[in-house]
Amino acid sequence: GQQVQQSPTSLVLQEGENAELQCNFSTSLNSMQWFYQRPGGSLISVFYNPSGTKQSGRLTSTTVIKERRSSLHISSSQITDSGTYLCALTNSAGNKLTFGIGTRVLVRP
Amino acid sequence: ETAVFQTPNYHVTQVGNEVSFNCKQTLGHDTMYWYKQDSKKLLKIMFSYNNKQLIVNETVPRRFSPQSSDKAHLNLRIKSVEPEDSAVYLCASSLDRKDTQYFGPGTRLLVL
Repeated sequence: GQQVQQSPTSLVLQEGENAELQCNFSTSLNSMQWFYQRPGGSLISVFYNPSGTKQSGRLTSTTVIKERRSSLHISSSQITDSGTYLCALTNSAGNKLTFGIGTRVLVRP
Repeated sequence: ETAVFQTPNYHVTQVGNEVSFNCKQTLGHDTMYWYKQDSKKLLKIMFSYNNKQLIVNETVPRRFSPQSSDKAHLNLRIKSVEPEDSAVYLCASSLDRKDTQYFGPGTRLLVL
């Protein structure tokens, strides 16, 4: 079965709305990483978050290892936040990432 | 600021041909990776090198072979491409195995 599951698969927001993206994993992990990908664009690392909460601007990531989940919160969404957000877990050996399918976010004016 | 470079950006070829993709990182990282992103946008690791040594080799067809001349370069060669090889191939690097990975822009391959 899939080791990393993301929800929702897609999300439409009105500009200014908040959103929470979920990532659940079925195996033990070394770390969790969130990526952002604009259509046709390259992957950009947003958070490297092995545990706890990290914030960067309007984005907040919270990883709870015991519960095998990580979330990405977008506050006051903007049109430029549109794109795909992927979570990936690093295996215990730390030598590879396993990705979720991603959450496609569309922010409308 | 781009620090992981991939060439070509886009490549169209026919079934049975050989292709080669290049990746170079200027971050001074020790570890490099190749991922495949299929039509459903799912990313899967293919290979990982640490200081020119292969450390991860996922189950990929034998026609795929990585090549590393030094720790800043990791190329990918595909002998005799198949239609299912059409995908975006992403190269990444990290300081060490457990560190944040930085991705290149990808090489989009279309096999006709």
